[in-house]
Amino acid sequence: QSALTQPASVSGSPGQSITISCTGTISDVGAHNLVSWYQQHPDKAPKLLIYEGNKRPSGVSARFFGSKSGFTASLTISGLQAEDEADYFCYSRAGGNTYVFGSGTTVTVV
Amino acid sequence: QLQLEESGPGLVKSSETLSLTCAVSGDSIRNNYFWVWIRRPPGKGLEWIGSFYFIGSTNYSPSLKSRVTISGDTSKNQIFLTLRSVTAADTAVYYCASTTCNGGYCFPPQQWGRGTLVTVSS
Repeated sequence: QSALTQPASVSGSPGQSITISCTGTISDVGAHNLVSWYQQHPDKAPKLLIYEGNKRPSGVSARFFGSKSGFTASLTISGLQAEDEADYFCYSRAGGNTYVFGSGTTVTVV
Repeated sequence: QLQLEESGPGLVKSSETLSLTCAVSGDSIRNNYFWVWIRRPPGKGLEWIGSFYFIGSTNYSPSLKSRVTISGDTSKNQIFLTLRSVTAADTAVYYCASTTCNGGYCFPPQQWGRGTLVTVSS
């Protein structure tokens, strides 16, 4: 299975909203509404931001919002803050009890 | 609170076997967890390697299936990753993570170790 497709980079100014896309196929993103999103800062383990499409674990800011249309899932970050500078990865079941990550997006706050 | 800690040699020679251990504390690996190995090569994205359930059930990434084995030792409360015939492309930070599954659906891993860097040298 191939990595899900994400833009390599997205940038925004403090306070703005940005959206990161994650495009897959009928076998993964298109098969269900179970896409998750992770945030990873340098030299840190990934942190779960969104699961089951649009649910947030306890403690995750409501500024992070997940959605999906067809074969593309999206993560929207509103009220962009300097601390949001990080790499972001989508994650999806890929069939046969295997899972796949997106290619990753680096978010820069300019 | 579940805690995971990866360990193993930081340097492996090309064509040899990479072996990593994930020490689990705070709960038993026999409890309702699936254990997952994930890696991130330098400058690249995360890659799902495979999963393990304590009864011996495993699932592997199709791209790594021929070279990887994930296993566990309930007496030591540890999970293991073995990757054979490594090349420079296997250089990465390797993470151990835990998840729970219900009715065929596994939640995304939420508990992760800090990761361990493995470099494959020629």
